[in-house]
Amino acid sequence: QLQLQESGPGLVKPSETLSLTCTVSGGSISNSDYYWDWIRQSPGRGLEWIGKIYYSGGTYYNPSLKSRVTISVDTSKNQFSLKLSSVTAADTAVYYCARLRSRLNTLEYWGQGILVTVFS
Amino acid sequence: QSVLTQPPSVSGAPGQRVTISCTGSSSNIGADYAVHWYQQLPGTAPKLLIDGNTDRPSGVPDRFSGSKSGTSASLVITGLQTEDEADYYCQSYDSSLSGSVFGTGTKVTVL
Repeated sequence: QLQLQESGPGLVKPSETLSLTCTVSGGSISNSDYYWDWIRQSPGRGLEWIGKIYYSGGTYYNPSLKSRVTISVDTSKNQFSLKLSSVTAADTAVYYCARLRSRLNTLEYWGQGILVTVFS
Repeated sequence: QSVLTQPPSVSGAPGQRVTISCTGSSSNIGADYAVHWYQQLPGTAPKLLIDGNTDRPSGVPDRFSGSKSGTSASLVITGLQTEDEADYYCQSYDSSLSGSVFGTGTKVTVL
């Protein structure tokens, strides 16, 4: 059974960079049928797609966040990562990583989520 | 940002049928991209409930069904049970994002 686990700091100061890692177990991140996504959820904004990465490194980002987001992949560690720069209180949310089946754009498996609070 | 519109809440007594709508636009559902539904129990991550408009993943009870027509999709729960009390989200691909768009979410309450 595929499992995804988010890790990283739960508190980030305003104007700093949020950094999270998703570790994939039970399957290879190098499978060509899938993308690897980051999604966040906050009370005021619901579920919001942040971006996705292919195992070869190709990325797509939400245009509303594109100037601040970088997603990268490390196939040797079966991990992918999110960096969000210049954070504000509006970036406080639960951040999820997920596996996206490319054929129909289905988010098949999700991590448990990690709460990140932007707080000075 | 692009969003799919859902009713904030629906409710029903045990055993009743409830329907949740999901309305999109020409850049997502109306462009014939598949719609998926997720169930989110309190304090947990969303879980895939309906895949590709109508398909139930293994383990999902058959009281859950999905459909799609035009720029909208629907999730129906037939024979509502207390354990169905949760938040439900639709999701599709949006060509203007080159990525996923989500519904606004619907809270199902079992009376």
